[in-house]
Amino acid sequence: QTVVTQEPSFSVSPGGTVTLTCGLSSGSVSTSYYPSWSHQTPGQAPRTLIYSTNIRSSGVPDRFSGSILGNKAALTITGAQADDESDYYCVLYLGSGISVFGGGTKLTVL
Amino acid sequence: QVQLVESGGDMVQPGRSLRLSCAASGFSFSSYAMHWVRQAPGKGLEWVAVISYDGSDKYHADSVKDRFTISRDNSKNTLYLQMSSLRAEDTAVYSCARPLAGFYAAFDFWGRGTLVTVSS
Repeated sequence: QTVVTQEPSFSVSPGGTVTLTCGLSSGSVSTSYYPSWSHQTPGQAPRTLIYSTNIRSSGVPDRFSGSILGNKAALTITGAQADDESDYYCVLYLGSGISVFGGGTKLTVL
Repeated sequence: QVQLVESGGDMVQPGRSLRLSCAASGFSFSSYAMHWVRQAPGKGLEWVAVISYDGSDKYHADSVKDRFTISRDNSKNTLYLQMSSLRAEDTAVYSCARPLAGFYAAFDFWGRGTLVTVSS
């Protein structure tokens, strides 16, 4: 069974830069997996930030960017703000209609 | 505006069945694939299933395969999830979501979800 891996937690200082990653239990993540990133605050529906590796969803500020770093997908937040504190999820498309979410990263801004 | 409203969630005993519905409005429902995603209490997101725009292709996560079936009625602008042989680990908020493109689980609209509790 394919497992999508994310850091369970991460911390960043206000104004700082943080890179969250999304990997596979076996193998490398490439653009062929169409990695997507969402964030979710408690009690709210998730919001997609990035899809197809590096395309920002409508209205998402450009301090959020997506890329492939080494063998993982990555979400970089520059100039972190207090309201970036959230749970971040990546999802990979494995093909044949199947998608798998990572376990999520809890980002703390302090 | 785009709206997705789920219904049908309930508390049921293990082994029982339940059908969830997702009423769509504000967009051309029959032009979009649609997904179900769930989130257990205090846990992360889990992709459940996707169905093509015309219902001809359906895919399910391994964790629900052979127990859950996604379907749609484009004449009613409604998406369904038929759930059978329910287990305690199926307890979650189930949400329908509209993808940005194709079968990829990147969404521009989510419903608020409906809670399914499986307990004896």
